[in-house]
Amino acid sequence: GEDVEQSLFLSVREGDSSVINCTYTDSSSTYLYWYKQEPGAGLQLLTYIFSNMDMKQDQRLTVLLNKKDKHLSLRIADTQTGDSAIYFCAEDRGSTLGRLYFGRGTQLTVWP
Amino acid sequence: NAGVMQNPRHLVRRRGQEARLRCSPMKGHSHVYWYRQLPEEGLKFMVYLQKENIIDESGMPKERFSAEFPKEGPSILRIQQVVRGDSAAYFCASSPPKPQETQYFGPGTRLLVL
Repeated sequence: GEDVEQSLFLSVREGDSSVINCTYTDSSSTYLYWYKQEPGAGLQLLTYIFSNMDMKQDQRLTVLLNKKDKHLSLRIADTQTGDSAIYFCAEDRGSTLGRLYFGRGTQLTVWP
Repeated sequence: NAGVMQNPRHLVRRRGQEARLRCSPMKGHSHVYWYRQLPEEGLKFMVYLQKENIIDESGMPKERFSAEFPKEGPSILRIQQVVRGDSAAYFCASSPPKPQETQYFGPGTRLLVL
């Protein structure tokens, strides 16, 4: 099937906002997720959004969902060096079995 | 409450050997998923299990790979006669009884086949 698409790299200066974009594939996806992976570690769930919402805010994180364009974005306000990691977008494609489909990940580098 | 546990964290095998990867889900979670991450790629679904049942194995290679989640003990992903292309990070995730609840991932097992 088609792949979830993400830009591979993003660099920002400490204190700036970061915006990571994702294009998913299936309009029947119920939930869309953002996971963070630090070097040598597993995936940490950052946030998720239900498909009937268009925005979700959680402290420094803002998720925007455009269902028409199947576009998902993650904005990190006041980005810190500790935010440097790989960020994965994932969709469920409407599966009731819980299977997730991931993008290749965006490597975020934060410069001091 | 301990998170998802995986062991070993690193595993080195020679071609033709067997690899056994273990996953203990979070307490209270009865659903286990295995994903594989090849170098510089996203995670690819392999298999979804509940206790003593394989629910969806559509992502598993047809040969050499098997998975189980017994009534007692951890879930096991078994790779027989490993080849270099099996080198990857293997992640386990667990979720509560409702499968559309969010999945929590373990730290992964990094398999290197020499």
